[in-house]
Amino acid sequence: EAQVTQNPRYLITVTGKKLTVTCSQNMNHEYMSWYRQDPGLGLRQIYYSMNVEVTDKGDVPEGYKVSRKEKRNFPLILESPSPNQTSLYFCASRAQGSPLHFGNGTRLTVT
Amino acid sequence: DQQVKQNSPSLSVQEGRISILNCDYTNSMFDYFLWYKKYPAEGPTFLISISSIKDKNEDGRFTVFLNKSAKHLSLHIVPSQPGDSAVYFCAASAVPGANSKLTFGKGITLSVRP
Repeated sequence: EAQVTQNPRYLITVTGKKLTVTCSQNMNHEYMSWYRQDPGLGLRQIYYSMNVEVTDKGDVPEGYKVSRKEKRNFPLILESPSPNQTSLYFCASRAQGSPLHFGNGTRLTVT
Repeated sequence: DQQVKQNSPSLSVQEGRISILNCDYTNSMFDYFLWYKKYPAEGPTFLISISSIKDKNEDGRFTVFLNKSAKHLSLHIVPSQPGDSAVYFCAASAVPGANSKLTFGKGITLSVRP
């Protein structure tokens, strides 16, 4: 089954403790992206990647890092999480000219 | 500056009636528009799209209308069903290709009453 898989689905952590949210897709898509969804703000892009070893900032990249060492994986790294990064995160991928496929989301709470 | 606006946060309609979800945009470079549907605890899923060369695209019960001069699009669902209850996001991009970035609106919560 074609899918985008994120892990974990839920995560509660404390301020400053580094964490990684993994994202993997099995559709051989070149393009991958991370979004966060917040009440009243919709979906905002954090980072995106056009291909392996090619990443770029989206609209709200501060406090996040990404890497794209392999085509299928695009982890989101929070080196020092803060409470304002409490949010619902979505990874997505797509083929050229096609709509985005989203994962089921990771709900992160930073206390 | 919000480039894609969904000004109504929610909409409630009776089963069997038409649902009309509106979306406005400000960036005149946008020429490809999409609607995504999101259920709780799931990621958004693609519903329907339209490019600027068309003013209407239909897929079963779902029709999207585009008015470029007014920078406005709308999603019509006829007839509405309880299973259509979800959050609907309007999205836009400048180029429908690998380099395009999708800009999303805030979403509209649709409730279809049985």
